[in-house]
Amino acid sequence: GENVEQHPSTLSVQEGDSAVIKCTYSDSASNYFPWYKQELGKRPQLIIDIRSNVGEKKDQRIAVTLNKTAKHFSLHITETQPEDSAVYFCAASPGGYQKVTFGTGTKLQVIP
Amino acid sequence: ETGVTQTPRHLVMGMTNKKSLKCEQHLGHNAMYWYKQSAKKPLELMFVYNFKEQTENNSVPSRFSPECPNSSHLFLHLHTLQPEDSALYLCASSQDIRSGGAIQYFGPGTRLTVL
Repeated sequence: GENVEQHPSTLSVQEGDSAVIKCTYSDSASNYFPWYKQELGKRPQLIIDIRSNVGEKKDQRIAVTLNKTAKHFSLHITETQPEDSAVYFCAASPGGYQKVTFGTGTKLQVIP
Repeated sequence: ETGVTQTPRHLVMGMTNKKSLKCEQHLGHNAMYWYKQSAKKPLELMFVYNFKEQTENNSVPSRFSPECPNSSHLFLHLHTLQPEDSALYLCASSQDIRSGGAIQYFGPGTRLTVL
């Protein structure tokens, strides 16, 4: 089955700096890679996703890159703000409603 | 945020009790999911239902029994649980998109404590 590894497990950055979270996956059939943000005490919410037919996607301060050959994808947050502090989960899926495998999460702390 | 609701929000039960968790989605989705979130294994998929049919059982012990009477409701029946089953149980739903990936919308979760 799919195995998703996520690094680092914790990340502290100064406000205004960039943060990068990296994930690797094992199943070459995976073609959909969402990222979820979970603030303390709240539910996970999708922040950005990428499909296997593109290598990069950007939404304001957030970007995701995908390298299908190497089976890894990354989340980039620029100009970090205190409200970016949360746990971020990457995930991989063969698509549709099928099984989504999540990474172990990265706790991001943005220091004002 | 009322798209996906879960009840109860908190539950304390003994190992011999029988209880049920309920999830309801108001988004017109056809797929529903149960996840277990604990410190050891964040966001561990348990079950997937699509159009009321179970399509995934991620090797979950039989003391957890899901039920999906229709595309809007999902239950998780609990019996003879163990203390290590204490966790946050999250429900999610998505559209039945056969290609391209389906965004999952999560409920607020039920915080379960097994004594």
